Amino acid sequence: GNSVTQMEGPVTLSEEAFLTINCTYTATGYPSLFWYVQYPGEGLQLLLKATKADDKGSNKGFEATYRKETTSFHLEKGSVQVSDSAVYFCALSVEENNNDMRFGAGTRLTVKP
Amino acid sequence: GAVVSQHPSWVICKSGTSVKIECRSLDFQATTMFWYRQFPKQSLMLMATSNEGSKATYEQGVEKDKFLINHASLTLSTLTVTSAHPEDSSFYICSARDLARVFGQPQHFGDGTRLSIL
Repeated sequence: GNSVTQMEGPVTLSEEAFLTINCTYTATGYPSLFWYVQYPGEGLQLLLKATKADDKGSNKGFEATYRKETTSFHLEKGSVQVSDSAVYFCALSVEENNNDMRFGAGTRLTVKP
Repeated sequence: GAVVSQHPSWVICKSGTSVKIECRSLDFQATTMFWYRQFPKQSLMLMATSNEGSKATYEQGVEKDKFLINHASLTLSTLTVTSAHPEDSSFYICSARDLARVFGQPQHFGDGTRLSIL
């Protein structure tokens, strides 16, 4: 079946540190990959996406590259800010499967000043 | 960008009450909406897929008589938690996908509804 495995948290970093949150996937078919961010008490906001191998999604300084050979979509940011503190979810969607989305467990990031 | 509105954002009610949560796509049409449940510090669990004009598709283990879903129009889906009990307390989130979708179109999420049953 389709599933996503992402790095367990929580992750605590100092401001301006480099961030990596690992995400790997298993899918039948050709998935699209997403990173969502959830701030406290809110729903999910799309952070970035990639729809085919070698695509790089980027937004607000975050980047992730769709690596088919390693079935990965790791999230990176060169310099985190306190405002980046949130829970990050890796997700996949396979068009053939009625478009439902499978989420990773989420990684809580706390950035300290 | 696409906006999904979910209402109410917070509800507290007594055990045995039925609670209705609305999910509206504000600037696009959605033949399919999704209902998720999220427990504290956990990921989202897909409960059901709501299809406009037809019955919802429930995930295994989700009681369809407990969680009634109605998708009467292309912009509105409702989830009714019937005879709610404390174990139904959770964060419920809906999402929707644009009808005019392009491959790889993401789901757009509402801000969630926090349901607390006393």
